[in-house]
Amino acid sequence: DAGITQSPRHKVTETGTPVTLRCHQTENHRYMYWYRQDPGHGLRLIHYSYGVKDTDKGEVSDGYSVSRSKTEDFLLTLESATSSQTSVYFCAISEHRAYTGELFFGEGSRLTVL
Amino acid sequence: AQTVTQSQPEMSVQEAETVTLSCTYDTSESDYYLFWYKQPPSRQMILVIRQEAYKQQNATENRFSVNFQKAAKSFSLKISDSQLGDAAMYFCAYRSRFRYGGSQGNLIFGKGTKLSVKP
Repeated sequence: DAGITQSPRHKVTETGTPVTLRCHQTENHRYMYWYRQDPGHGLRLIHYSYGVKDTDKGEVSDGYSVSRSKTEDFLLTLESATSSQTSVYFCAISEHRAYTGELFFGEGSRLTVL
Repeated sequence: AQTVTQSQPEMSVQEAETVTLSCTYDTSESDYYLFWYKQPPSRQMILVIRQEAYKQQNATENRFSVNFQKAAKSFSLKISDSQLGDAAMYFCAYRSRFRYGGSQGNLIFGKGTKLSVKP
């Protein structure tokens, strides 16, 4: 199994509070991604990173920011959480040199915003 | 932009029988990957099978096989001898083949098909 750890795995917070989700990898992969999963929508890309300090927006980036100061860590921040951000968040990694195209996923973090 | 469509929100199969999950996609690219991921109740995303677009031969992995029709942009998953452990959400996904430089390789998912297996 790919070494991907997400924390926290479960979090309940209140509207307007800041939240940070952490993704930590031990694979030294270059690419890291944050997806959110909602019923009826599948997984949608929030932000991704293609190197340290290199990040870009995905399909549903509004209300989220990311940072990557080290290869192994990719942080997702909700500056002021809203109820619409209640979701399950997945981190994923990939190494382009593998030429397999596969993404490896973490176990997900369930966030509830009351 | 690429899109992936799974037209069957739910499917059901009898244990030991065969079931086929449908997936279509839209792209103007000629070089890409297609995947089926399985998500059991544990939430873990598990790769089931992969297909490179340049390969004409359909991928197989034990009881799982695909029917890849590039011209029709169709990528169905067949599960043979269905087992209770196959019950899960199945996601079809598309990914452009890697290119050097810049941001590439985001995985685009369909909305999923929930598969139930009846004993």
